[in-house]
Amino acid sequence: SQTIHQWPATLVQPVGSPLSLECTVEGTSNPNLYWYRQAAGRGLQLLFYSIGIGQISSEVPQNLSASRPQDRQFILSSKKLLLSDSGFYLCACKTDTDTQYFGPGTRLTVL
Amino acid sequence: DAKTTQPPSMDCAEGRAANLPCNHSTISGNEYVYWYRQIHSQGPQYIIHGLKNNETNEMASLIITEDRKSSTLILPHATLRDTAVYYCIVRVAFGDEKLTFGTGTRLTIIP
Repeated sequence: SQTIHQWPATLVQPVGSPLSLECTVEGTSNPNLYWYRQAAGRGLQLLFYSIGIGQISSEVPQNLSASRPQDRQFILSSKKLLLSDSGFYLCACKTDTDTQYFGPGTRLTVL
Repeated sequence: DAKTTQPPSMDCAEGRAANLPCNHSTISGNEYVYWYRQIHSQGPQYIIHGLKNNETNEMASLIITEDRKSSTLILPHATLRDTAVYYCIVRVAFGDEKLTFGTGTRLTIIP
């Protein structure tokens, strides 16, 4: 079965600073990969998904971007963080079973 | 918007069966019912899914009514570690990339 790693686990960043969150997957090949965000007290919002290397679909236009440089690596980035970017960022992967499995998450606080 | 309705909270005594209901009256014929749970500060955990037949795995059982307009997730012998928010989600298999999480049911297991 697949294992999802997310780095870092927690992050505190000032407004206007850049962001890079990493997600790596083990135990599977050619997965679909996803970035979700969960704001405090709210549901999960899909931000980006990828069906393959270099292929990114954006669900919510904002100051975030995603990249998939390798089959099992998915990166979420921002050039300048906003206060509203604070939240719990979750990476998920989906294999041929069509079920999404989530990583442990990164808690981002923008001050 | 979520296509499901769940009670906001429930309590269950430790060792008893926890029965979590979900209404999905507008479900389409090709939509599956998925259940996830989220323990505080962790990523969502997949539990089980089904189309129309009842399903059972090592974690839980899923009972879907004959008209498919509602379902019940059953945790047969609840433990304190089952305290979490439980989400019922409907989605088209091999179609929807996005999992739409509603507000879920906050299940508290009481010692």
